[in-house]
Amino acid sequence: DVKVTQSSRYLVKRTGEKVFLECVQDMDHENMFWYRQDPGLGLRLIYFSYDVKMKEKGDIPEGYSVSREKKERFSLILESASTNQTSMYLCASSLYLDGLTISNEQFFGPGTRLTVL
Amino acid sequence: QKEVEQDPGPLSVPEGAIVSLNCTYSNSAFQYFMWYRQYSRKGPELLMYTYSSGNKEDGRFTAQVDKSSKYISLFIRDSQPSDSATYLCAMNSGGYQKVTFGTGTKLQVIP
Repeated sequence: DVKVTQSSRYLVKRTGEKVFLECVQDMDHENMFWYRQDPGLGLRLIYFSYDVKMKEKGDIPEGYSVSREKKERFSLILESASTNQTSMYLCASSLYLDGLTISNEQFFGPGTRLTVL
Repeated sequence: QKEVEQDPGPLSVPEGAIVSLNCTYSNSAFQYFMWYRQYSRKGPELLMYTYSSGNKEDGRFTAQVDKSSKYISLFIRDSQPSDSATYLCAMNSGGYQKVTFGTGTKLQVIP
């Protein structure tokens, strides 16, 4: 079974703190994604990565950065947390089909519910 | 206007009912259509996956795509309390394109 794990299920931080959210997948997937999920807004893509050390901005990258030093690990960083970053954060991974096309099947972690006070 | 529209519900049905969940979209380039199921406090998991127009059946679940109307549906027959979850539609145009998700419809099946 594909397994995507996230470092914390619940996290409470103060405004201005630097926050690290870690994601690890064990199926050797090339592609990894960070989303945030908010009521009425659904899943919104923050950043994604097609390979080690590669990253691409998603729809809402402002206030976030990412790091992918190893294939299995993709970190989301909030440089200076703000209250509007209170949300559920979901990590996902997927593989390449035929080395050319990204599989549309994404495997998600359980999520981290972040509260910024 | 959002690229993908989905009624948030909640939708409450009695056990055994047929459930119809729907999404509309505006981007005619979308070719791949998915339904994810998300249980409370869990991440989404892929339930159904279809390419282009037509129907696909898997057990009690049927996914339907009408590209001419830009409308997709998920039907659940003989609904069970274990089907209670949020259902998210998702779609993209393939290749390197990102997947666009609907906001999800919360379904409750009452025993």
